[in-house]
Amino acid sequence: KAGVTQTPRYLIKTRGQQVTLSCSPISGHRSVSWYQQTPGQGLQFLFEYFSETQRNKGNFPGRFSGRQFSNSRSEMNVSTLELGDSALYLCASSTRLAEGSEQFFGPGTRLTVL
Amino acid sequence: QKEVEQNSGPLSVPEGAIASLNCTYSDRGSQSFFWYRQYSGKSPELIMSIYSNGDKEDGRFTAQLNKASQYVSLLIRDSQPSDSATYLCAVNRGGGSYIPTFGRGTSLIVHP
Repeated sequence: KAGVTQTPRYLIKTRGQQVTLSCSPISGHRSVSWYQQTPGQGLQFLFEYFSETQRNKGNFPGRFSGRQFSNSRSEMNVSTLELGDSALYLCASSTRLAEGSEQFFGPGTRLTVL
Repeated sequence: QKEVEQNSGPLSVPEGAIASLNCTYSDRGSQSFFWYRQYSGKSPELIMSIYSNGDKEDGRFTAQLNKASQYVSLLIRDSQPSDSATYLCAVNRGGGSYIPTFGRGTSLIVHP
């Protein structure tokens, strides 16, 4: 079974621009969660989508948004980029059949904001 | 108090030794526990999940859970240099939550 895929793998943007990242979950997984990982803050939860609805949200500003499509693929958008948005953005998919469902991560998108 | 705590390390062990990684959590009602391995520059990879008190073994890896003491540990037997990575502990507190909380990770170095 194919794993979680993310595109693009690398991005370089300048301050003020916006960016859209894409995530395709494992086949049959309907939950997609997004995380930001930086050396200083570790792995921080952004939001989770399930059945095209945002189910959980972390403590990030409204510049960070997402959506999920009917095929469970998800996109994350960051508007008005700031230098501090430079990070590894990870998505993880899950069946969400139970509270203890395992999450599987994609390879990540490395975003650099100049 | 942080929800999930791990010693940042680095933990340095010789090749062939047992590496012991520990994680404590604050929510006594937590139900699900996960260990991930993350190589530098890569994404986290799920190693094991554990839900019940006691030990769970998978190859060279053993997860140990003690809910009364609120800790979960990961033992790596016969450590190899290829095991050098950061190990992330994740805890799901249950009660309607589907999102685990991650610790900051412990860096493990296995030297030849």
